[in-house]
Amino acid sequence: SAVISQKPSRDICQRGTSLTIQCQVDSQVTMMFWYRQQPGQSLTLIATANQGSEATYESGFVIDKFPISRPNLTFSTLTVSNMSPEDSSIYLCSVLGDLGSPLHFGNGTRLTVT
Amino acid sequence: GENVEQHPSTLSVQEGDSAVIKCTYSDSASNYFPWYKQELGKRPQLIIDIRSNVGEKKDQRIAVTLNKTAKHFSLHITETQPEDSAVYFCAASKNSGGSNYKLTFGKGTLLTVNP
Repeated sequence: SAVISQKPSRDICQRGTSLTIQCQVDSQVTMMFWYRQQPGQSLTLIATANQGSEATYESGFVIDKFPISRPNLTFSTLTVSNMSPEDSSIYLCSVLGDLGSPLHFGNGTRLTVT
Repeated sequence: GENVEQHPSTLSVQEGDSAVIKCTYSDSASNYFPWYKQELGKRPQLIIDIRSNVGEKKDQRIAVTLNKTAKHFSLHITETQPEDSAVYFCAASKNSGGSNYKLTFGKGTLLTVNP
């Protein structure tokens, strides 16, 4: 399966600032997604990162708060904007190598907002 | 949209016993059902998956069964070992081979295997 590198692995940020998380895959992948995992909770899909076009957001998530880029088939970024303590979570990049293949996750970014 | 219910939320077993985790889904169009294991502080890792054209799949001590009519699927772990202790997530999706693929997760089961 693809090797997924996500950074930073963790960060502590102040309220009102923004953080950009990067996801780099070692091979071209069909689809890339961003998930959020709040402490002790399940995984919630934020959006599908579409190559060369705007991301597709799930209900409850908006582009102004979570802008996403995907300039090519191996790289994506997620920005968490104007952060508040409620944004403290683990953010996970995930990829599908080929349509019909399993979804694999990066190691995640543990974000704490103070 | 799809809704996945997972039970139990916690499960404690003795080493060597079997463990069963059950999930139900709401969307009859869902056709792909993976299971992920997440150890503390680590990423979720796929342990087994099943597609809707199959009723059961086995991989060593792990098996998954699917009942499409009842819209439920289960994870079975036999001869449990302490290293099986983790949170397990079930998930469901449709269009597993299509461009609007979306995976919906259950809330997770914390499995503890006591030596």
